[in-house]
Amino acid sequence: DIVMTQSPDSLAVSLGERATINCKSSQSVLYGSNNKNYLAWYQQKSGQPPKLLIYWASTPGSGVPDRFSGSGSGTDFTLTISSLQAEDVAVYYCQQYYRTPPTFGQGTAVEIK
Amino acid sequence: EVHLVESGGGLVQPGGSLRLSCAASGFIFSSYWMHWVRQTPGKGLVWVSRINSDGSSTYYADSVKGRFTISRDNAKNTLYLQMNSLRAEDTAVYFCAKGETGYSDSWHDNWGQGTLVTVSS
Repeated sequence: DIVMTQSPDSLAVSLGERATINCKSSQSVLYGSNNKNYLAWYQQKSGQPPKLLIYWASTPGSGVPDRFSGSGSGTDFTLTISSLQAEDVAVYYCQQYYRTPPTFGQGTAVEIK
Repeated sequence: EVHLVESGGGLVQPGGSLRLSCAASGFIFSSYWMHWVRQTPGKGLVWVSRINSDGSSTYYADSVKGRFTISRDNAKNTLYLQMNSLRAEDTAVYFCAKGETGYSDSWHDNWGQGTLVTVSS
């Protein structure tokens, strides 16, 4: 199985500041024939199901605020929240869907400093 | 608007069985792969199983293979997960999640609220 490792495990950021979450896969999730990275990001608030933020490593999901962006390729990826808002307090997960079984990172908890 | 509503969770003894259901609406259910993902209380997300649009192809995580069966009824817009020989480690919130057309594995743009399964004597 592809192992997804996120860093850090938790992050405290001041309102309006940038938050950066990293995700590393144990093997490349870049598919050469279409040049797409099979990587998604989710946000999960307390007591709620995950919500899709990003797919194909950098394509925003429907209705996702533009302060959320994804980048990276191959094995190293980043989710950036450009200006943290109070409603962004949540746990964030990366997921690879390049190979079965799809696997998730362990999650990164974002809180307000 | 897409809605996925799980039901069927509850408390069951080790070795027992449960059948989860996921009622879907707001999209053409018969066109999409569907998945089950579980989350242990306080822990992360673990993929469990997937089924293709017409139900002819299924796949399972090693941890549930031989014990769980995924199925669907496209006439009823409903996804199922039959869980047998349940173990304490199967205790989790089970989410159904919509996949994508054309991709066996994919991102999930819609999730249900989840149903809690507790395996305990």
